[in-house]
Amino acid sequence: QKEVEQNSGPLSVPEGAIASLNCTYSDRGSQSFFWYRQYSGKSPELIMFIYSNGDKEDGRFTAQLNKASQYVSLLIRDSQPSDSATYLCAVTSGGSYIPTFGRGTSLIVHP
Amino acid sequence: DVKVTQSSRYLVKRTGEKVFLECVQDMDHENMFWYRQDPGLGLRLIYFSYDVKMKEKGDIPEGYSVSREKKERFSLILESASTNQTSMYLCASRETGQGFKEQYFGPGTRLTVT
Repeated sequence: QKEVEQNSGPLSVPEGAIASLNCTYSDRGSQSFFWYRQYSGKSPELIMFIYSNGDKEDGRFTAQLNKASQYVSLLIRDSQPSDSATYLCAVTSGGSYIPTFGRGTSLIVHP
Repeated sequence: DVKVTQSSRYLVKRTGEKVFLECVQDMDHENMFWYRQDPGLGLRLIYFSYDVKMKEKGDIPEGYSVSREKKERFSLILESASTNQTSMYLCASRETGQGFKEQYFGPGTRLTVT
């Protein structure tokens, strides 16, 4: 059974701080890793994708992947109240295009 | 612009009714998915389809069936709705192939079964 684990939160950070969201996965054959953002009452939208070890940066977002330790994280720099949402981690394994989703971490950025 | 649409945003049905949830995508994607999302449980895959008339069970197919007669349309059917099927239902589509292929979600249908 492939598992993707996230702390449900909520993670509360002040505006302007760095928010750090973590995700661990059980399948060592996992190859592609996704971060989705989901606002309350809305559908998930993809914000980051990573498949190589190391960091990938896109604006205020940085995804970090460590395959040896089987975790992927999302850093949000200069957090804004508009970043308040649930962040879903998703993982696909070799040979499958079906992602396994974590249960999501709720992030609250307070002014 | 990529688009996945769902027939209803909100739906209220009675126990025992047959319910149809429709999903349409305009991206010519081969793969389509139905999920349900419940608080604390995350996204759970009900069924997916990788081609017209082809379907595969996901993690929680019990109580559901699907139909894909045309490439752009994927329907989720609740044969006899029950209160434990009250949930948010999300449809998604994805281009086929390995590697990075974004999965696009529809706006969701919040179904209440009374």
